[in-house]
Amino acid sequence: SQTIHQWPATLVQPVGSPLSLECTVEGTSNPNLYWYRQAAGRGLQLLFYSVGIGQISSEVPQNLSASRPQDRQFILSSKKLLLSDSGFYLCAWEADTKNIQYFGAGTRLSVL
Amino acid sequence: AQSVTQPDIHITVSEGASLELRCNYSYGATPYLFWYVQSPGQGLQLLLKYFSGDTLVQGIKGFEAEFKRSQSSFNLRKPSVHWSDAAEYFCAVGSGGSYIPTFGRGTSLIVHP
Repeated sequence: SQTIHQWPATLVQPVGSPLSLECTVEGTSNPNLYWYRQAAGRGLQLLFYSVGIGQISSEVPQNLSASRPQDRQFILSSKKLLLSDSGFYLCAWEADTKNIQYFGAGTRLSVL
Repeated sequence: AQSVTQPDIHITVSEGASLELRCNYSYGATPYLFWYVQSPGQGLQLLLKYFSGDTLVQGIKGFEAEFKRSQSSFNLRKPSVHWSDAAEYFCAVGSGGSYIPTFGRGTSLIVHP
């Protein structure tokens, strides 16, 4: 069966520090991968999506970047975190053309 | 472009009462429709989906939803709510292929004992 792993679960970082969040999927190949951010009391904001290795699309201009070095690995990064980068980050994968997304457990990022 | 509206930010019900969460979508063709649930501090879990066929779809945890094309709606229902149903609920619309699904802003369900 397919599983998605996202880590770390919680992260506290100082302003100006770098960031690396990792997401990996098992049990499927060539998934579409997504990074979302969820601010408190708000919906999901799509940050990046990828349809293949090295293919990244950004939905909003921001302080973050994403990479897909391997088929089932999706990384969210920042060189210098801002206070506004705080939030709940969710990774998701999609196996086929039916738009069904499967989500990781999320990472709670607090930038202080 | 497709869009989703969940008009209720919060819904409060008593345990054992019936529930209906509203979802309206905008899309030119027949949409793919989804409901997800998110428990506090967790990721989203798919409750049910509609692609075509029978407009009343059954999901997990006793939930169902009905697709009404004339009203552009896909409301989520449950006949008797349990305290464990307290969570955030998201409606989403897609169209398959290379399109990215669009999520609503979510409805927070509060269950009173």
